[in-house]
Amino acid sequence: SAVISQKPSRDICQRGTSLTIQCQVDSQVTMMFWYRQQPGQSLTLIATANQGSEATYESGFVIDKFPISRPNLTFSTLTVSNMSPEDSSIYLCSARTTGVAGGPQYFGAGTRLSVL
Amino acid sequence: AQSVTQLDSHVSVSEGTPVLLRCNYSSSYSPSLFWYVQHPNKGLQLLLKYTSAATLVKGINGFEAEFKKSETSFHLTKPSAHMSDAAEYFCVVRNNRDDKIIFGKGTRLHILP
Repeated sequence: SAVISQKPSRDICQRGTSLTIQCQVDSQVTMMFWYRQQPGQSLTLIATANQGSEATYESGFVIDKFPISRPNLTFSTLTVSNMSPEDSSIYLCSARTTGVAGGPQYFGAGTRLSVL
Repeated sequence: AQSVTQLDSHVSVSEGTPVLLRCNYSSSYSPSLFWYVQHPNKGLQLLLKYTSAATLVKGINGFEAEFKKSETSFHLTKPSAHMSDAAEYFCVVRNNRDDKIIFGKGTRLHILP
């Protein structure tokens, strides 16, 4: 299994500012992902973080709003830019090692973001 | 295409009675299936996974799930509910061809004393 650490665990931010969330995995993993969980909802995939190249975004999410970095196999950041109250959500980092048959994805504890 | 349907948004059971959380899936290719649990203000924890081995899968905390291909179901069960089982449960399907995973909408399990 993989242990995933996220920080900050929570934050309260002002409209128009940006927040960068960090994700650290305790082992080298092939794939890292960022999800959003809006209040009372299930998880929605924002993007796949690719090492050393631009992230792959899902429909409805764009790089200007959610820039992502992944400089190595164990670390990634997600920035929520120019925040508005609609961005208030839990943001979760996830990781998986491919090549392990049926290997599950592991999740961080999440970052609970409130935008005023 | 793939999808996952959790048939109940809320389930309430009395402590000590059986738990059944229902999940149906569709997948164009051989799927892997997972159940995760999310306690309030906590992250997601993997309960169990099905990856084309035994169809009856045992997980942590006494939970188990049975993969039934003919019914495209992967229901989660536990013989006797405990107060600490109160949480949100997510059924997840992964398409083993393109690695995409899809979350169900979740089922909130309430345990009555």
